[in-house]
Parts: sequence; C-alpha cells; structure tokens
Amino acid sequence: EADIYQTPRYLVIGTGKKITLECSQTMGHDKMYWYQQDPGMELHLIHYSYGVNSTEKGDLSSESTVSRIRTEHFPLTLESARPSHTSQYLCASSDLAGGYTGELFFGEGSRLTVL
Amino acid sequence: AQRVTQPEKLLSVFKGAPVELKCNYSYSGSPELFWYVQYSRQRLQLLLRHISRESIKGFTADLNKGETSFHLKKPFAQEEDSAMYYCALRRGSGNTGKLIFGQGTTLQVKP
Repeated sequence: EADIYQTPRYLVIGTGKKITLECSQTMGHDKMYWYQQDPGMELHLIHYSYGVNSTEKGDLSSESTVSRIRTEHFPLTLESARPSHTSQYLCASSDLAGGYTGELFFGEGSRLTVL
Repeated sequence: AQRVTQPEKLLSVFKGAPVELKCNYSYSGSPELFWYVQYSRQRLQLLLRHISRESIKGFTADLNKGETSFHLKKPFAQEEDSAMYYCALRRGSGNTGKLIFGQGTTLQVKP
C-alpha cells in the first residue's frame, strides 16, 4: 500500500545522544520535506529534497541534517541532541503534480523529547 | 515577510451553526493558498486550495486579495468537522511544494 512512514513515533532521549528519525515513502514521490512543529505553533519547513542527492535547508534554521541516497528514504539526523530540539517532526512528500497543486502527503510524525 | 496568521486558536460552535475560520496572509507576489486539516488520530491532509475554487465536505474558501484573507467557511457545521485546521501559503512559484503554515485553529463542534 502506498504510504509514508515515520519511525520512531515517540522518542525520549538524553542530551548529547545522536538520533536519526526515519522517513520512508512508497508513493514514488520525488519531493520530500521535513517540517518541525512545536506545540500550538506553526509547522516550519526545515529541510527539502528535490530528489536523490538533492537537499536544501528550509525556512527555519535547524541543527539537523538530512540525506537522500534513495528516492524513498529521507532520514533526519541530530548529531548531539539538546532539550531545545524537543519538538514534533513531520515528514511529507509530493509528486510532480503535487509540486504544482501544493498537495503534500504527511507521515504520522515523530515526537522527540530530549531530557 | 511572508506570513500566515490564524487569529483564533480555538473556535467552538454548535452543530448546525455557520463556521468561519479566519486566515490572513502577507505576501508580496501572487499568493497560492491552501487549507489543511488534521482530524483526531489522523494525519495532516489537504482540504482545499483556492486555485481549484472547489467545495470539499461543504467547506469553501475565497481568496480576497484586497483584505489579504482566505477564510474557510461552512454554512452548517457537523460534529465530524471537529479537527485542527491549518491555513498555508505556497512560497515561490512553479513546481514547489514548500508551504508556510499558520498556527492552526481547533474547531470544536458541539452536539
């Protein structure tokens, strides 16, 4: 079934740990996105990928990094987690038509808590 | 600066009452605006886009460039409309899905 998957859904981790949030889509989409959302606040684009080996930073500065080695996979990494990284991270994808229509398909999100 | 503002964090109405979720934007170019919705325990999903001028689940939204608004309306609210609603602005032009979101409004429809 075509879908977009995020793991883990919830993660509680100590300061200084390295974490990777996984995002995979089986929709065949070229474009993928990471949005960050603090409780009660806007979603902010932090990373964007046009396709394999093509990534760029979004509007909100983030200490996280991303990679796009395969079309379906767009992981986000924090080398050294801090309490300020506590947030919800939403992965999304869109196809060529979605790039024009503005329709993004979102995953369920990864809620990160850094103690 | 490009920005989307949803002034109400919570809107509570009774079933059958009209609903208007407010959205204002600031953008120097020609805007493209969208409404996304997140129902309880579901993912964020597209509800409608202004360019389509469509009605989805009884909701409509008209782009008012003079007032820089894109309010979401429904004449008679249903309990299943209870959800979180986000207004979003497409940044830039052409083939991009990069969106700027508002803070969201929780719509609560009481029986």
